[in-house]
Amino acid sequence: GAVVSQHPSWVICKSGTSVKIECRSLDFQATTMFWYRQFPKQSLMLMATSNEGSKATYEQGVEKDKFLINHASLTLSTLTVTSAHPEDSSFYICSAREGSGVFGEQFFGPGTRLTVL
Amino acid sequence: AQTVTQSQPEMSVQEAETVTLSCTYDTSENNYYLFWYKQPPSRQMILVIRQEAYKQQNATENRFSVNFQKAAKSFSLKISDSQLGDTAMYFCAFMKLGGGGATNKLIFGTGTLLAVQP
Repeated sequence: GAVVSQHPSWVICKSGTSVKIECRSLDFQATTMFWYRQFPKQSLMLMATSNEGSKATYEQGVEKDKFLINHASLTLSTLTVTSAHPEDSSFYICSAREGSGVFGEQFFGPGTRLTVL
Repeated sequence: AQTVTQSQPEMSVQEAETVTLSCTYDTSENNYYLFWYKQPPSRQMILVIRQEAYKQQNATENRFSVNFQKAAKSFSLKISDSQLGDTAMYFCAFMKLGGGGATNKLIFGTGTLLAVQP
């Protein structure tokens, strides 16, 4: 099946620093990737939709200047948390959709745990 | 806006028994997909089963089946012959179709934590 990787799997950083998380589709081309945030024992909340070669579409309430998303190729999207603060600590999950038709299954990455001290 | 409701925060079932997880959703759309995803302790999201709204026949995938009631906007998951490896958080999800295939997105319920007891 289709595989999506995320790097790093976990990261600890100091408050005020920036952190970049990579999401890669390993064996398929993904025109669309999605970024989710999940707090402990809670559901996945969509942060933004990333389309290759264009600007990401952010969900209401998500600060686009704080969560920078780049989808420069059909296999790579990055999420950069700028000037991270403890409240940004969370589990970040990406998914990649195969194909560009009406429906393409989303394949999820294993997630990245971010802890901001 | 679409919403997905899972009214059972936690459930428990004995190994080899059958369990049903509930999900209701609210939408004015006619064309959509419904999903059940499993998130085990590893946190990796895994697609369990998918139902197209235009299909009347309930989807089945080995030990997993759904009861899709479109008029009632209900989409329950039945797990037969429960196994220890089924222990996980289960999320119901909705996806509207149309409006641009590149932007269809998943809306998740709050999840049901299922524990399979030996």
